[in-house]
This record gives sequence, structure tokens and C-alpha cells, in this order.
Amino acid sequence: NAGVTQTPKFQVLKTGQSMTLQCAQDMNHNSMYWYRQDPGMGLRLIYYSASEGTTDKGEVPNGYNVSRLNKREFSLRLESAAPSQTSVYFCASRSDKNIQYFGAGTRLSVL
Amino acid sequence: GENVEQHPSTLSVQEGDSAVIKCTYSDSASNYFPWYKQELGKRPQLIIDIRSNVGEKKDQRIAVTLNKTAKHFSLHITETQPEDSAVYFCAAGNQGGKLIFGQGTELSVKP
Repeated sequence: NAGVTQTPKFQVLKTGQSMTLQCAQDMNHNSMYWYRQDPGMGLRLIYYSASEGTTDKGEVPNGYNVSRLNKREFSLRLESAAPSQTSVYFCASRSDKNIQYFGAGTRLSVL
Repeated sequence: GENVEQHPSTLSVQEGDSAVIKCTYSDSASNYFPWYKQELGKRPQLIIDIRSNVGEKKDQRIAVTLNKTAKHFSLHITETQPEDSAVYFCAAGNQGGKLIFGQGTELSVKP
């Protein structure tokens, strides 16, 4: 039982490049979330998926797209990376008791 | 929009002293208030949570209080130890499952 698994752990991109951050959970949770964490700003919700087949925007969705591939997997895509997207990205899934469990994070630098 | 304010942003205490972190929220529909601890370079992990039908919850050295009328809640850590040093985040959520996080408090416990 690995919980929430994110790949990659680190990534460096050049401005304009694209990439997909992967997230998978093995806890059979319906809801999954993508956050970004910047110094002094806490965790901000980018997109979430309340259940398989649905996705919704969070606080800071611009520049990102998501795909809920199946119940286990929820990916985050940057189509054209910008330096402002340099951040640490966390994926989370939510239990039926409303507890969110986080992955280990992806540290992304955009040059 | 929905907002959670957290204070202080940094807190330094001597080992054995108590630490208190306070949060206020704006969304009256919020009914779930978790606290997460994040050690340097690690993922956020839930340490305690409280739901809107109770005013206080305690787990060993940590306790959380909730005042729904005033829309604020607090984390209390007693007999602090160096391993309590971390960043602490409060959050407010509702039945829809989204969490709005505070900006974080960096707690430093000096031996």
C-alpha cells in the first residue's frame, strides 16, 4: 500500500516546453487534487477531480490542464511552461472521512 | 472568495514551552478544519482535525479549538520538543471536499 505516488520527483524545463506530472493512488479514493506550493503562500489548489470522469478548476488553474485517466490516476499537464510555474507540486487524494493524503511532491524549475 | 488567514507566519519557542497558531476563515459553509505538519523537504501530513459539531479536540500534546461563531480555530502544542519544528498549515473545508489552506507557520523549537 504505497498511498499517493508522484512522478517525477524533480524536473527542470526550459520556457515553452511541455510536460506531464503523474499521480496515482492505491487507496480507492474518489477525489483527487493538484496543489502548488510557493514560499509564504501555503498550498493553492490548481485542479481537482471529485470522481472519475469529472474535473474542476481550483484557485490557480491558468496554464494547466488535467486528466482523470481512471480512478487511480490524475495527471497535471503544463502545455507551455513559464518561469512563474516554478514551484513544488503536490497531488492528494481524499478519504471518505474527508482526510487528504499527499504525495511526496514534484519540484519543478522552469528556466 | 474563500480565504483562510493564519498567524503568526513564524514562531520561535523554547523547548518545553507551549505554541499557539491561529486561523480565521471566511466561508460559513466550512465544516472541516484539519492541521497539517510539513517537515523540510517532505509532504504535508495530517496531525489533527476537528469538525464543526465539536468545539475542542485533543491528542496527547496537541489540541485544536474551534469557534464557529467567530470563524476561527487554533492549534495548541504543549511541552514542545525540537522534533515539533516544522511548518504547520491550517485549512478549512466543506462537504464538497475542497480545502483552502492558510499561508503556514514556521515553528522553531530551540533546545
